[in-house]
This record gives sequence, structure tokens and C-alpha cells, in this order.
Amino acid sequence: ILNVEQSPQSLHVQEGDSTNFTCSFPSSNFYALHWYRWETAKSPEALFVMTLNGDEKKKGRISATLNTKEGYSYLYIKGSQPEDSATYLCASRYGNNRLAFGKGNQVVVIP
Amino acid sequence: ETGVTQSPTHLIKTRGQQVTLRCSSQSGHNTVSWYQQALGQGPQFIFQYYREEENGRGNFPPRFSGLQFPNYSSELNVNALELDDSALYLCASSLGQGGSPLHFGNGTRLTVT
Repeated sequence: ILNVEQSPQSLHVQEGDSTNFTCSFPSSNFYALHWYRWETAKSPEALFVMTLNGDEKKKGRISATLNTKEGYSYLYIKGSQPEDSATYLCASRYGNNRLAFGKGNQVVVIP
Repeated sequence: ETGVTQSPTHLIKTRGQQVTLRCSSQSGHNTVSWYQQALGQGPQFIFQYYREEENGRGNFPPRFSGLQFPNYSSELNVNALELDDSALYLCASSLGQGGSPLHFGNGTRLTVT
């Protein structure tokens, strides 16, 4: 079972500010890195699936980068809005689409 | 497109009892995975079913078992419940076993007393 770490565990961001957080994972036997957004009372929603070293993906104001050689991914939120408040989960894939999740980054955007 | 639905949303059981959780996969998805999220932890992989066959299992004892039906819906059964089984159980469906993202249900909150 892979050890996936996310930091910081929680953060408060002023509306309009940009923020970022880190996911670290074992770089050996890497298959893919997933990011999910999980809003309260909803189900986790896929943001990105990334496979290639140096990959960058963007969805609206949210973007992610991937470094498979050193085993980390950054998630960026530009110009945070209250609707960005959620827990952001990253997961490293091992085997047939099995995911090892981190504990999440809990983001609270303060209006 | 119908999303992933799980039932029940909440339930309370007593230690030693058995429980069955249900999941309907998203239309067109043939793979279902189950995850357990204990308080303060990330989701932990329980097992995966692909075309009605168990296709991988995490570090969970045999009293955790499952089924996948021809319509790709799935059940998670837990026998001899223990207090530590109290958790949120998430079902996720996906297409195939490759790099497609998982589509999650809202989960079932199980409390064992």
C-alpha cells in the first residue's frame, strides 16, 4: 500500500487570494496521480488524472502540476472563491485502477 | 446519465451483526471499487469488481466481501461487525481498469455500537 501525504492538512484563504498545496507519493512504480474535490454533503468529484512527468492540467481557476521523478504534485487555486471551499484529495494509482489516497487538504475560503 | 447511487445513506448496527451496503454504478461503467474512510483518514481501498469478478483487494479481512451483478451494481457485505468498522463507505464506478477517473457515490455512514 502506497503512502500518500498531503500538506497542509487545512488552510484558510481570503477570498480573491491564490493558494496551493502539495501531494507527495512514492515515485517508484508510478501509474497515475488523481485529484478530487470533495464538497460537504456531496460526493468526491474528479478534477484531474495525470500520468506524465511535467504534466500540467487546468480546469477553470484550478490547475495542477506533476513531478513523477521526485514524487510530488501541486494543486493551485487562483483567485479563491467561496465555492472553492472543499477538501481536495490526491491519490496515487497502483495496480488496476486502485488508488491510495492522502488525507486531503481542507480549504476554507473566507468571504 | 445516471450517477453513482448508494444505499442506505446512514445506518447503525451492533457489534457482531452483519451489514449489506448497495451501490448502483454510473451508466456504462463496468468496474466498481469500494473504499472505507475512517474518521481523520483518507479513503482506503477495500476491493474492486470488474465484470462480476473480484479484481483486487486491499488490506481488509475476509469478513469484508462483495458482489457485482450483471448490471454492474454491487454490494459490500461485512460480517461480525467490530467497532472499528464505523466509517464512511464509498463506492466508485469507472470504465475499464485503465486510467479513467473514479465516479463516487455520496457514501454510506455506518456506525457500529
